Amino acid sequence: EAGVTQFPSHSVIEKGQTVTLRCDPISGHDNLYWYRRVMGKEIKFLLHFVKESKQDESGMPNNRFLAERTGGTYSTLKVQPAELEDSGVYFCASSQPGQGIADTQYFGPGTRLTVL
Amino acid sequence: AQSVAQPEDQVNVAEGNPLTVKCTYSVSGNPYLFWYVQYPNRGLQFLLKYITGDNLVKGSYGFEAEFNKSQTSFHLKKPSALVSDSALYFCAVRDRTDSWGKFQFGAGTQVVVTP
Repeated sequence: EAGVTQFPSHSVIEKGQTVTLRCDPISGHDNLYWYRRVMGKEIKFLLHFVKESKQDESGMPNNRFLAERTGGTYSTLKVQPAELEDSGVYFCASSQPGQGIADTQYFGPGTRLTVL
Repeated sequence: AQSVAQPEDQVNVAEGNPLTVKCTYSVSGNPYLFWYVQYPNRGLQFLLKYITGDNLVKGSYGFEAEFNKSQTSFHLKKPSALVSDSALYFCAVRDRTDSWGKFQFGAGTQVVVTP
């Protein structure tokens, strides 16, 4: 079974540009999460999809971030325009409902975003 | 507000010696507790979790963790460390009252196992 995949693995852009990150969850997983780790700090929650619906976007930093999950499969996270403080590693995770919030989340390898 | 603390940025241990990675938390009620490991250039891999029941939880790769409610801790342990255990370890909690169960992570602890 394929795991969670993310693309690209690295992205280097200039301040003011736009970047789109993609996440493909494990097939059949309804729950999809986005997290971000800024250098050396804790991994922070950004938002949570159940199928194509946003259930919790309380962690989204501001309106420069837009997440979508068309058709309830893969998800994209767009940053427009990017700022220096957006640099970090963006992780995607997915889970299959079964134990409720005790479900194990399976993480992708992350996308390292550098904004210059 | 809930929080997770991993007091050590780095833990150094010689191969064959016991390994402990500390985690304490501040969450209302009884949380769900998780440990994840990140190897270089890889995603976070699930190690183990505490949901309910026995306070000692056994997980992957010979790791175990003990839930201590009075000390609000969930330390990760391995009796005999291997060089291949060198990685970044994250403790995470989920508040049982949170309908959708987002994780609160610690800052991570880098484990270095020397031959």
